[in-house]
Amino acid sequence: GQNIDQPTEMTATEGAIVQINCTYQTSGFNGLFWYQQHAGEAPTFLSYNVLDGLEEKGRFSSFLSRSKGYSYLLLKELQMKDSASYLCAVGSGGGADGLTFGKGTHLIIQP
Amino acid sequence: DSGVTQTPKHLITATGQRVTLRCSPRSGDLSVYWYQQSLDQGLQFLIQYYNGEERAKGNILERFSAQQFPDLHSELNLSSLELGDSALYFCASSLQDRASYGYTFGSGTRLTVV
Repeated sequence: GQNIDQPTEMTATEGAIVQINCTYQTSGFNGLFWYQQHAGEAPTFLSYNVLDGLEEKGRFSSFLSRSKGYSYLLLKELQMKDSASYLCAVGSGGGADGLTFGKGTHLIIQP
Repeated sequence: DSGVTQTPKHLITATGQRVTLRCSPRSGDLSVYWYQQSLDQGLQFLIQYYNGEERAKGNILERFSAQQFPDLHSELNLSSLELGDSALYFCASSLQDRASYGYTFGSGTRLTVV
């Protein structure tokens, strides 16, 4: 089975740094994804990790530890527009699959 | 514009009815995935089609069915609708039959069953 856990809600201050954690237990693994979703809108792709380590992309970075079943998304220099839900998702592998998503972390940015 | 087109954007219908949601994938993408998103469940994978064939099934109810046509657009059919089927339905597309590089979501269809 698939199980993905992430905090339900986090609050951070504009200009600061926030780390959103995700732990997963899946029957297979072919990559971990982070998506951003504003309320009522489509999820948009942020990052993809398949090997252990840190991937940096502008203000956003994502880290993966496959042995620990753990990932985090790091957001730097927070802006008000970063207020959104952040979804952790795992590809379970095999020839065809749909991503399994966590329930998302609602990030609130305060001035 | 993500390149994935979903219609209609909003749909209100009564319990017991049947509706069809439509998705046109991004140009060149062969895979279409359907997801349901409700407030308490998050994004739930329903079904995947690749180049016209069903490739993977998730938590799709027997009252729901889907198909992908030769022009690669896909339709999700929901029948005998219940109040609990009210949700956002997203379609996503990708080039290959696996989600290795993520996929692109459409803007969704908001279904309200009254």
